[in-house]
Amino acid sequence: DTAVSQTPKYLVTQMGNDKSIKCEQNLGHDTMYWYKQDSKKFLKIMFSYNNKELIINETVPNRFSPKSPDKAHLNLHINSLELGDSAVYFCASSQEGPRGNGYTFGSGTRLTVV
Amino acid sequence: GDSVTQMEGPVTLSEEAFLTINCTYTATGYPSLFWYVQYPGEGLQLLLKATKADDKGSNKGFEATYRKETTSFHLEKGSVQVSDSAVYFCALSASNSGYALNFGKGTSLLVTP
Repeated sequence: DTAVSQTPKYLVTQMGNDKSIKCEQNLGHDTMYWYKQDSKKFLKIMFSYNNKELIINETVPNRFSPKSPDKAHLNLHINSLELGDSAVYFCASSQEGPRGNGYTFGSGTRLTVV
Repeated sequence: GDSVTQMEGPVTLSEEAFLTINCTYTATGYPSLFWYVQYPGEGLQLLLKATKADDKGSNKGFEATYRKETTSFHLEKGSVQVSDSAVYFCALSASNSGYALNFGKGTSLLVTP
């Protein structure tokens, strides 16, 4: 019954590979997000989708491409992985209008690029 | 652009001590303010929130008051427990940033017995 679930929880891969992280929410929320948390715990928004439409696209390398097949899913595909991509990636969803009062976070995907 | 500034950690306190973690913000509009907590190895949980000036958010003994005049949202707890050891994030959301959460850098709290 996990509200926001991400898979995989851990991902270790070599430089240059392409990988995907999946996210699903069963809360009926309209908006979903990807955040990146670096080694210093700093959290930064990467993307947000509202009802499958891209709303926020921060300054992120175009090797990162989000895909939202429906409003319950927001996947993150990363091409040509680099060492600096190592981080924890959090998916989140929100409802109650656009003011973010109802944010729910997934438990994170720890990506390690070697 | 909008930003959030938190006091640097780590903060180390003895059990039952008083906790204050300072948070100030810069925003052009009228943001909502939040405190999130991240326990070791886990995701983020909403601790409390305030959506307008003078609102007080509270949860699990933690409190924070939205102060527009000082652009602050300081987190306080009267008596911390070992189980409060975690990283605490102050955050805001506003219309000019698409209502995404804009986080401070986090403050690590360690409570010792």
